[in-house]
Amino acid sequence: GAVVSQHPSRVICKSGTSVKIECRSLDFQATTMFWYRQFPKQSLMLMATSNEGSKATYEQGVEKDKFLINHASLTLSTLTVTSAHPEDSSFYICSARGDWSSNQPQHFGDGTRLSIL
Amino acid sequence: DAKTTQPPSMDCAEGRAANLPCNHSTISGNEYVYWYRQIHSQGPQYIIHGLKNNETNEMASLIITEDRKSSTLILPHATLRDTAVYYCIVRVAGNTPLVFGKGTRLSVIA
Repeated sequence: GAVVSQHPSRVICKSGTSVKIECRSLDFQATTMFWYRQFPKQSLMLMATSNEGSKATYEQGVEKDKFLINHASLTLSTLTVTSAHPEDSSFYICSARGDWSSNQPQHFGDGTRLSIL
Repeated sequence: DAKTTQPPSMDCAEGRAANLPCNHSTISGNEYVYWYRQIHSQGPQYIIHGLKNNETNEMASLIITEDRKSSTLILPHATLRDTAVYYCIVRVAGNTPLVFGKGTRLSVIA
């Protein structure tokens, strides 16, 4: 159980393009979803936290106008990288949790490798 | 900042037990200890978590010291597929995200 599906797994596109990444919880309702970014040989860095039906909370240094997050349902969150540039190339990983009030673990998708040419 | 300290790397012979240590000396009473691992180019995989009692599941065992200032993740019979970066994370129950440190890179050697 507790499967998180992320799509696409890999994107290669030209500079200036906007890219949308989808994150779905397949067998549970995710009241909270998280988006992380990971550069080569580094650890995961939290970008933002989103709760269903409300605006996302962004970590310091993450531009909310560049990384648009929508969490419109209990099973779907999207991250749109607007006007992507080469420095946005990274491994983007989403995570979801069901019952926010408990100690239950976060579950992660398999990530999206974004390459901007 | 991560609230845990782990060795940057460890080696383990295939078939032997892998014991991965983690220090969390500033852990508070309502914080749980979580362990995840990340195999190359994949998302992190949940392994186990606990508050103060030792825990065991089909993947691993978690041993937490009585003062809760450190813990050890035990993979009883390591295989080559257990080669990964292992993250020890402390987190209070509730709507807080996991914050990742640098983890331990475990290499299982044939």
